[in-house]
Amino acid sequence: DGGITQSPKYLFRKEGQNVTLSCEQNLNHDAMYWYRQDPGQGLRLIYYSQIVNDFQKGDIAEGYSVSREKKESFPLTVTSAQKNPTAFYLCASSILGQGAGYGYTFGSGTRLTVV
Amino acid sequence: GNSVTQMEGPVTLSEEAFLTINCTYTATGYPSLFWYVQYPGEGLQLLLKATKADDKGSNKGFEATYRKETTSFHLEKGSVQVSDSAVYFCAPRPGNKLVFGAGTILRVKS
Repeated sequence: DGGITQSPKYLFRKEGQNVTLSCEQNLNHDAMYWYRQDPGQGLRLIYYSQIVNDFQKGDIAEGYSVSREKKESFPLTVTSAQKNPTAFYLCASSILGQGAGYGYTFGSGTRLTVV
Repeated sequence: GNSVTQMEGPVTLSEEAFLTINCTYTATGYPSLFWYVQYPGEGLQLLLKATKADDKGSNKGFEATYRKETTSFHLEKGSVQVSDSAVYFCAPRPGNKLVFGAGTILRVKS
């Protein structure tokens, strides 16, 4: 079955460490997105990519980095520059082109906690 | 710019009550409209969608109608169940990105 897989489900980071969250999709979607969700809050866009080797900053990109070397993969690195990284991180993918009514497919999320 | 306003929660209902969650949006062009649902500890799942004016999206007893004249896409269900307790997100898609509302928490009591 096609889908989008995030790993790990839970991740713990020590102060000053960089950590990388994995996101893989086998839906042949062109676009991929990373969101951050804090308790009781909505979604905030961190980065998105519409094509391999290209990506754009979202609303809260500071302290994060991404790469898009393959169409299927869009890993997110939370760097030590991100001062408050504890949150739930969601990855999504989509076909491009809004006319046909395409939504996003979401992964099941990674919960990152600073210890 | 593009934005979404959703009814503030939490919304607390008894089982079998009628549900309405209001959603209005500001978006360029003629966006497709979506409702997503998020159960505790999980990612978002597409609940329903509508792509043109007066279209009604429906799924699992939930419905929403694309009202272009009022730029609204209100979510309704005639009889909620405890299992419907979740967070609901309204999201228009005016371009290549969805614009998410803040989400509305729904709690259904037995």
